[in-house]
Amino acid sequence: AQTVTQSQPEMSVQEAETVTLSCTYDTSENNYYLFWYKQPPSRQMILVIRQEAYKQQNATENRFSVNFQKAAKSFSLKISDSQLGDTAMYFCAFMKTGANNLFFGTGTRLTVIP
Amino acid sequence: DAGVIQSPRHEVTEMGQEVTLRCKPISGHDYLFWYRQTMMRGLELLIYFNNNVPIDDSGMPEDRFSAKMPNASFSTLKIQPSEPRDSAVYFCASSLGLAGVLTQYFGPGTRLLVL
Repeated sequence: AQTVTQSQPEMSVQEAETVTLSCTYDTSENNYYLFWYKQPPSRQMILVIRQEAYKQQNATENRFSVNFQKAAKSFSLKISDSQLGDTAMYFCAFMKTGANNLFFGTGTRLTVIP
Repeated sequence: DAGVIQSPRHEVTEMGQEVTLRCKPISGHDYLFWYRQTMMRGLELLIYFNNNVPIDDSGMPEDRFSAKMPNASFSTLKIQPSEPRDSAVYFCASSLGLAGVLTQYFGPGTRLLVL
């Protein structure tokens, strides 16, 4: 079974600063996908970024980037130039290639301080 | 695109009543997922459909829960009878199965409170 661990229940960052959220996972699979979802107070789940395990290059989406370390089974999210609208719960998720189940971590609550 | 649409957004009911949650996936998507989110258990996959056919319902908690997808643009999750422990946020998500890249797009959720 796949497990996803987010060891930081809560984090805070000053507006305009950079913050990194940690995620580790456990799997015996070689091909899979990793995701970060954002859940603001509205409760909507919003896809932030996606990484394919076969790609060595780290995914980037504007101010959001990941540090994917396959050997270490680590998938951290870096948010640059933090904005107040980044305040949300952030969930790391895993999906095996060819499967459809998303396995979620327990989430990290990020607060951006003005 | 309108995104995944769920209704109602909020539902308050009394124990024993039937509850029906509705979902309209993104047009053209061939996978539909139902999730439940609680403080205790986090996000759990309840069931998912491919081309309107239920593929995996192993996450459905018990027989009180049932889900249907009569066509490509509509799905329901029904709880009968409801119990207070069913109180949660229920999410519907959809995705397009292309080359194994199944990025799921979530609806806004239905917040259910069973008294």
